[in-house]
Amino acid sequence: DAGITQSPRHKVTETGTPVTLRCHQTENHRYMYWYRQDPGHGLRLIHYSYGVKDTDKGEVSDGYSVSRSKTEDFLLTLESATSSQTSVYFCAISELGRAASTDTQYFGPGTRLTVL
Amino acid sequence: GNSVTQMEGPVTLSEEAFLTINCTYTATGYPSLFWYVQYPGEGLQLLLKATKADDKGSNKGFEATYRKETTSFHLEKGSVQVSDSAVYFCALSDPQGGSEKLVFGKGTKLTVNP
Repeated sequence: DAGITQSPRHKVTETGTPVTLRCHQTENHRYMYWYRQDPGHGLRLIHYSYGVKDTDKGEVSDGYSVSRSKTEDFLLTLESATSSQTSVYFCAISELGRAASTDTQYFGPGTRLTVL
Repeated sequence: GNSVTQMEGPVTLSEEAFLTINCTYTATGYPSLFWYVQYPGEGLQLLLKATKADDKGSNKGFEATYRKETTSFHLEKGSVQVSDSAVYFCALSDPQGGSEKLVFGKGTKLTVNP
């Protein structure tokens, strides 16, 4: 199993509060990703990183920001959480990213976030 | 743009039944194709992949063949087990963007009854 951990695994928060989710990897992979999973939508990419301090937006980036100060850590921040951000959030990593369409993404165990 | 369409679920089968989950895609060029599986309460795991036309990916008794002429990558298993109960996702990676951006189908939930 790829060494990916997410914290916290479960969180309940209130509308308007800031929330930060953490993804930590021990594989030294260059690429890291944040997805959200919602019924009827599958997985949708929020943001991704292609190196330390290098990030880009995904399909559903509004209301989210990310930071990557170290290879092993990728943080997802909800500046002011809303009920529409209630979801399961998955982190993923990959080694080659843009360099190879054959590359595999490996997923973390997920964080279940509830915004009341 | 690139997209993946997979059959609506849920799918309910009895143990030892034959499984097919349909997946078709739209993409420019020649994407790589993936099947991921998500067991209850867990993240996604790669089940199998195929990187060029006519390739067959296989793992744990599951198979899928990359059919360029029908733009399909259907998942099959000859005899399912209760432990195969999970959600299955078909995905593709853009040949221009590498695996940087995977495009996922919406998932098909499989329940296998003893």
